[in-house]
Amino acid sequence: GQQLNQSPQSMFIQEGEDVSMNCTSSSIFNTWLWYKQDPGEGPVLLIALYKAGELTSNGRLTAQFGITRKDSFLNISASIPSDVGIYFCAGLLPYYGGSQGNLIFGKGTKLSVKP
Amino acid sequence: DTGVSQDPRHKITKRGQNVTFRCDPISEHNRLYWYRQTLGQGPEFLTYFQNEAQLEKSRLLSDRFSAERPKGSFSTLEIQRTEQGDSAMYLCASSAGNTGELFFGEGSRLTVL
Repeated sequence: GQQLNQSPQSMFIQEGEDVSMNCTSSSIFNTWLWYKQDPGEGPVLLIALYKAGELTSNGRLTAQFGITRKDSFLNISASIPSDVGIYFCAGLLPYYGGSQGNLIFGKGTKLSVKP
Repeated sequence: DTGVSQDPRHKITKRGQNVTFRCDPISEHNRLYWYRQTLGQGPEFLTYFQNEAQLEKSRLLSDRFSAERPKGSFSTLEIQRTEQGDSAMYLCASSAGNTGELFFGEGSRLTVL
């Protein structure tokens, strides 16, 4: 089945540093999304990307939809303690025949921020 | 609170028992999804509904699992004859269309002893 390879698995950074994480796949996706999950909570949508090459920002977060439609990255600038959590990339499969498409998630990048 | 709500938040059961989870989506959303998440993994798709119709089921959804959304509003996920491997967080999400912009509930954590 389709898989998303997300890296790095975990990151330990100092407050104020910039963060970069990425996601790759052997499959083409129509949409790339980035979610954040805090302990004991469900994932929360951060950024959605709909077009190949698209670069989108949401505050200190910037994400790009790779031109090949097989990858995406997320950058966080000037990290703060509340950025701690697990970040998931997710790809929405194209519609094929009977499949309406569903969201495939990566395994996550666990971010720890030292004050 | 107008977000997605799930009940119960935690369930501990003995192997072989049946359990049922309920999800109330955001009221104007026509799509409802169930995902399963185990430790160290991302959410894995189980099934989804558009209104009351169950349109897609993952191979992960064995015949012990059944999901319903009888009136196109809330949904239930039932697991019969639970096994220890069913221990996981069961996440419900809803969306207004097929954009991938899912709004998740806080999840129902199942522990099977």
